[in-house]
Amino acid sequence: NAGVTQTPKFRILKIGQSMTLQCTQDMNHNYMYWYRQDPGMGLKLIYYSVGAGITDKGEVPNGYNVSRSTTEDFPLRLELAAPSQTSVYFCASSQTGPLHTDTQYFGPGTRLTVL
Amino acid sequence: GNSVTQMEGPVTLSEEAFLTINCTYTATGYPSLFWYVQYPGEGLQLLLKATKADDKGSNKGFEATYRKETTSFHLEKGSVQVSDSAVYFCALRGGSEKLVFGKGMKLTVNP
Repeated sequence: NAGVTQTPKFRILKIGQSMTLQCTQDMNHNYMYWYRQDPGMGLKLIYYSVGAGITDKGEVPNGYNVSRSTTEDFPLRLELAAPSQTSVYFCASSQTGPLHTDTQYFGPGTRLTVL
Repeated sequence: GNSVTQMEGPVTLSEEAFLTINCTYTATGYPSLFWYVQYPGEGLQLLLKATKADDKGSNKGFEATYRKETTSFHLEKGSVQVSDSAVYFCALRGGSEKLVFGKGMKLTVNP
């Protein structure tokens, strides 16, 4: 069982470039999340999705877009990369919603550097 | 809003030492509390959790007790091993709030 997978593991972008961070889960979870972790800081929620076709903003959504066309996939799009987006990005999934004490399962992360 | 404050590291211990990682929280209502662990090169995984006051979560020799009177959820282990080297995150979820994480603490255990 692969759980939550993320690609790529590492990426260097130039300012203004765009890219998509991929996230896939094989646990049939309805909720999926994107977090970023800056050095010395906790994780901050960027976007989340409660199911296919439904997404909502988290704490720090500016500069990002998401889509959820299938239960399994939840890609994160950076349209115009900026140095402030240099971070480690984690995708996670869970079976029920954020109002429940369910477990979130995390991917291994993508380390992104914008120069 | 909700927030979590935890001990910041890094911390280095010798094998078999006692470990305490402090975590305090601010929240309205009755949040659920979590400890997540991130081993090198891997994603975060749930270590233990507690959903109401005085609950004790435990796993892999780690324990944490939900103390509402002190708004704390300190993580403890009596005898750490080299394999416990990781980054530990305290987190909470309360009401309609999303999962809120502390900054994480890196632990290194030397043989």
